[in-house]
Amino acid sequence: DAGITQSPRHKVTETGTPVTLRCHQTENHRYMYWYRQDPGHGLRLIHYSYGVKDTDKGEVSDGYSVSRSKTEDFLLTLESATSSQTSVYFCAITQDRGHGYTFGSGTRLTVV
Amino acid sequence: AQSVTQLDSQVPVFEEAPVELRCNYSSSVSVYLFWYVQYPNQGLQLLLKYLSGSTLVKGINGFEAEFNKSQTSFHLRKPSVHISDTAEYFCAVSEIQGAQKLVFGQGTRLTINP
Repeated sequence: DAGITQSPRHKVTETGTPVTLRCHQTENHRYMYWYRQDPGHGLRLIHYSYGVKDTDKGEVSDGYSVSRSKTEDFLLTLESATSSQTSVYFCAITQDRGHGYTFGSGTRLTVV
Repeated sequence: AQSVTQLDSQVPVFEEAPVELRCNYSSSVSVYLFWYVQYPNQGLQLLLKYLSGSTLVKGINGFEAEFNKSQTSFHLRKPSVHISDTAEYFCAVSEIQGAQKLVFGQGTRLTINP
């Protein structure tokens, strides 16, 4: 969607290596989120941000860290990738209560 | 904390037939309710949302949903489906207060057969 982009779109990495996924928005929205999507689990929240340098953990945060040094960028880092982190990762943004999210197109990550 | 249960993982229907995708939620606080659609290899797109007021909400592509507080349900309906409605559908809730975190159901795969 216009206004939110994720990079890379696809990545294959080896077990034990660090990986960083990027989410970039041009909407100046306050809230940004990282989710992972796995079959049978829907989407599960990894981390979220409610402002520059303000982040918090979601329900599946182990093995992940995030940073938000600018309003427009929200980075997700897998500190040491494992096969269980093979997934599709989605970034989302929202401006205010009740607006719903705008989602990025996703990053398909494969850890071999 | 909130939780969402989508009662059917897969729903096959014939083209032009009606469909209902079921969603139940659990929460100790007031919530907003959403339905999202995901077409193959794409991100999620908002179909409709319930914030307050009329319990029947209409969304894009002819879909509607009814909020039932006593049954804690938010079922999605369409009177006549098309092949193009083939997708995965997600029900989600968020607290009215706080950081707008969405909690998703497991998803329902809707398959339309000709």
